Amino acid sequence: GQQLNQSPQSMFIQEGEDVSMNCTSSSIFNTWLWYKQDPGEGPVLLIALYKAGELTSNGRLTAQFGITRKDSFLNISASIPSDVGIYFCAGQGSGGSNYKLTFGKGTLLTVNP
Amino acid sequence: DTGVSQDPRHKITKRGQNVTFRCDPISEHNRLYWYRQTLGQGPEFLTYFQNEAQLEKSRLLSDRFSAERPKGSFSTLEIQRTEQGDSAMYLCAMGYEQYFGPGTRLTVT
Repeated sequence: GQQLNQSPQSMFIQEGEDVSMNCTSSSIFNTWLWYKQDPGEGPVLLIALYKAGELTSNGRLTAQFGITRKDSFLNISASIPSDVGIYFCAGQGSGGSNYKLTFGKGTLLTVNP
Repeated sequence: DTGVSQDPRHKITKRGQNVTFRCDPISEHNRLYWYRQTLGQGPEFLTYFQNEAQLEKSRLLSDRFSAERPKGSFSTLEIQRTEQGDSAMYLCAMGYEQYFGPGTRLTVT
């Protein structure tokens, strides 16, 4: 099936540092979304991107929809301990389906206070 | 709070038993999705409903799996003759941007 390549797989950073993670695909998507998941919980939507080239912010989070529609990145500025979790990218609207999300394998973020 | 609840949160069952999970929206959404997530992986799409119509099913949804959304509000996912490989987190999502519920953790022993 379709795969999204998400990197890095894990990150260990100090509180206050900025973080960047990205996602690439061999297929074009119409929408890119970024989620955060805590252990034992469902993913929580952080940012949704609908247009190629779009740059969107949500507080300390900034995400961009790549011009080629095959990639996206997420930046977190001035990280804090509660940013710890697994971050997933997801693409929608490819491979004949307008509905399903295809997820990356996630980036595990650890923030040292 | 995403406005999506799932019940039960955890289920332990013996191999061969049938299990049923429920997903309830707090507010009306015409789009409802089921996903499955195993350890170390992102969620994988299982099926999609628009109102009560099941419009898309993944190849992951074997004949032991069935999902319903009888009145276009809540949905159920049933797994018959469970196998150990069915152990996973089962997630329900609703809405165009797909807001997820807390999931049901299934363990098959």
